[in-house]
Formats: sequence, structure tokens, C-alpha cells
Amino acid sequence: RKEVEQDPGPFNVPEGATVAFNCTYSNSASQSFFWYRQDCRKEPKLLMSVYSSGNEDGRFTAQLNRASQYISLLIRDSKLSDSATYLCVVNTNTGNQFYFGTGTSLTVIP
Amino acid sequence: DGGITQSPKYLFRKEGQNVTLSCEQNLNHDAMYWYRQDPGQGLRLIYYSQIVNDFQKGDIAEGYSVSREKKESFPLTVTSAQKNPTAFYLCASSIDPNRDRRLAKNIQYFGAGTRLSVL
Repeated sequence: RKEVEQDPGPFNVPEGATVAFNCTYSNSASQSFFWYRQDCRKEPKLLMSVYSSGNEDGRFTAQLNRASQYISLLIRDSKLSDSATYLCVVNTNTGNQFYFGTGTSLTVIP
Repeated sequence: DGGITQSPKYLFRKEGQNVTLSCEQNLNHDAMYWYRQDPGQGLRLIYYSQIVNDFQKGDIAEGYSVSREKKESFPLTVTSAQKNPTAFYLCASSIDPNRDRRLAKNIQYFGAGTRLSVL
């Protein structure tokens, strides 16, 4: 079983739409959770950390459900510039290893 | 500016040749990592190092070697034993949370990557 699983998509949505991505993780000892954004042929960049209470950064909202072991990312009012691959990342801290999902591809259409 | 520098950006390997990818960071991070990414796929861990002079194999270490002689540097050698080396190689670093328990989050930062192709 993979440490982190994501729906690969692709998600094709019109501008202004709201889109949600989910991610599940297998290790209940996981302590840190993140969403990264990766543009085509570029390195992943941190989009936001995910906190237990949920957190929001502008149009982006991240949620963590420890009981069900899943993380979500909600993007409101999608922009063309949001088109990218979104990676779910989990860290157990103890071993200092990071586990990546395969990514969810988003294309925002004019 | 602080950050992670990978070089070269593009690299070509001849059959039977070893090549070395450079990764340098000035973030004073303890841990460093090497990942491989194939088209349309996720990141796979090759090697990681939590401290100078120590490193561990990741999921796909065969055909690769690393060294960690300095905190700032973590070069990756792709040896001739790696039969399918064409990929996007990413280096990353992070603070070791075990060193500072006050850290709420252990964030990983990436270099711009090296694209390796076989001639």
C-alpha cells in the first residue's frame, strides 16, 4: 500500500470554479502535512502547510482529518494561473522522511 | 539569497559513463534528499542524509551513490549500473525537527532540478 495516495485527475475546470482535491495517507504516526504545487518541468514549491484546525490562505483552504487519515485542498474562484500539478506530502518527523503523492493535475480553462 | 542550487540544469550521459549531479544549500539545513521524477509520475526517493557523513538508501538507490562530506553539499553520482537514468532529478533539504522540538513544521525545499538524458 502506498504511503500517500491521490486521485491523479486530470481535473479540467472553467475559470471561477471551485475545485477540491483529496489525499489519503497510511501512516497514522504522520505529523506534518503539506500541499505543494509543481508547474510543468519545474520543481515543487510549497503551497501551504496543513494544520489540524484547518487553514486558509486567500482562495486556498486546507483541511486535515486525522481520524480518517485524509487531507484536502479547496481552491475557490479558480484562475488560469492555478493550472499545475498539486502534490500531497506527508512527514512522520521521526525518520525525517517525506512521502509524496503522485500529484493531481489541474487545468483551468478560459 | 538563501536557497538550494542544483547544477547542471541539463546533463547528457554516454553509455557506461558515471555522472555527478551537484546540490548545494546555504539554508543551514541538516537533512538533504535526492529524488527522481519520471514523466507523469511522482517523486521517488533515491538517498537521503540527516547529518554530515551519514546517509541512507531510499526506495530506488540501486545504480546511484552519494556523499555528505559537508553540511552544505550532497552530490549524487549516477553510475553506469543505472540502466535507465533518463529523468528529472530533484534535490531537497529540510531542518531536522529532532534537533529543535520547537519547530511546528518541518518543511522541505527544492532545488530547480537537473534533467539527465542518455546519448
